[in-house]
Amino acid sequence: EPEVTQTPSHQVTQMGQEVILRCVPISNHLYFYWYRQILGQKVEFLVSFYNNEISEKSEIFDDQFSVERPDGSNFTLKIRSTKLEDSAMYFCASSDASGYGYTFGSGTRLTVV
Amino acid sequence: AQSVTQLDSQVPVFEEAPVELRCNYSSSVSVYLFWYVQYPNQGLQLLLKYLSGSTLVKGINGFEAEFNKSQTSFHLRKPSVHISDTAEYFCAVSEGSSASKIIFGSGTRLSIRP
Repeated sequence: EPEVTQTPSHQVTQMGQEVILRCVPISNHLYFYWYRQILGQKVEFLVSFYNNEISEKSEIFDDQFSVERPDGSNFTLKIRSTKLEDSAMYFCASSDASGYGYTFGSGTRLTVV
Repeated sequence: AQSVTQLDSQVPVFEEAPVELRCNYSSSVSVYLFWYVQYPNQGLQLLLKYLSGSTLVKGINGFEAEFNKSQTSFHLRKPSVHISDTAEYFCAVSEGSSASKIIFGSGTRLSIRP
């Protein structure tokens, strides 16, 4: 079964540093998403991306965050200057147009120290 | 705007007993409904989803859920739980017309006692 792949599985970074989280969506999917789960809390929507542009973003997704699809296979989330409160599990997801194939990756645990 | 309410933050159950995890949603449009399970320190695993058709949806690991449009509910059930079912369970909703963001509930922690 096709999978969404996320790397790395765990990243530790110092406060103020830039971090890039990487995702390889399912190959024939056109919609891409990032979600965040702070430890012990619910999963929150960050941003959706379609046709090389952001289609929707939450209030969490401020100017410190950006997304990019640099080539035909990768989808990245960049945090420019990390804060302690950015520590969370970040999930990538992709979907076909119908929504039937919505699939989450296994997540990247980001720890900001 | 869509929202999801999981009425119980924690549900303790004895092994081999039945369980129901409750979920209510609100939306002004037709919806897709999901249940995800998250084992400790792991990612999200899809248990089952309702997109259309039969209101009783069967998923993995013996779980099932019933979509009730009039009560805007999508409760998750299992007739006999196992220790390995100990996990966090998330109900979620998305707009049913196209690929869109998924809104998650706050989760229910299912703890199984031997």
